[in-house]
Amino acid sequence: EVQLVESGGGLVQPGRSLRLSCAASGFTFDDYAMHWVRQAPGKGLEWVSGISWNSGSIGYADSVKGRFTISRDNAKNSLYLQMNSLRAEDTALYYCAKDKGLRFLEWLLDYWGQGTLVTVSS
Amino acid sequence: EIVLTQSPGTLSLSPGERATLSCRASQSVSSSYLAWYQQKPGQAPRLLIYGASSRATGIPDRFSGSGSGTDFTLTISRLEPEDFAVYYCQQYGSSPRGFTFGPGTKVDIK
Repeated sequence: EVQLVESGGGLVQPGRSLRLSCAASGFTFDDYAMHWVRQAPGKGLEWVSGISWNSGSIGYADSVKGRFTISRDNAKNSLYLQMNSLRAEDTALYYCAKDKGLRFLEWLLDYWGQGTLVTVSS
Repeated sequence: EIVLTQSPGTLSLSPGERATLSCRASQSVSSSYLAWYQQKPGQAPRLLIYGASSRATGIPDRFSGSGSGTDFTLTISRLEPEDFAVYYCQQYGSSPRGFTFGPGTKVDIK
């Protein structure tokens, strides 16, 4: 069974940093691209960032480019999101999601974690 | 960047009724790379349909997708109580610049 468990969320002041983690199990992690998607309270879904199976291809939404960094450690079956210079508008539930494509970026999300909440406020 | 528009914003129906949700793209979606997700309150989204019409693993056959180009439809043939949720469409596979979701359609109980 595929499981994705996010952690690292919390309350942080504007301008500070936070690092999210996603622990994956139930599939061959290093065969699949991974993504972060966020959802502000009461709002829709926004793709944040994605990384290919071998970290060779990485993409960011314009809203986070230059502030957020996605990475993965295939030996630890883990995905990360380093978030710097946080703003109030980054407040959201952050989901980790698996890409459906086997060893290519299909940009289609077939499994999602339950999310970790990030609140940016003074 | 392809912009997705979903209609209606809210659909109020009764269990057993048919639901028809629309997703329109600002430009043609290549190879029908259009997906639908369901999100129930307090839960993560779940992939329902990909490739415009293929059901994801474990999705009941009352859910069907159709369309091509810029116009796509998700149909729920007979609404079950667990189908009342928000549905999002998403275009994918188009570029390494990422992707966007539609704003969502909420299906609620009439």
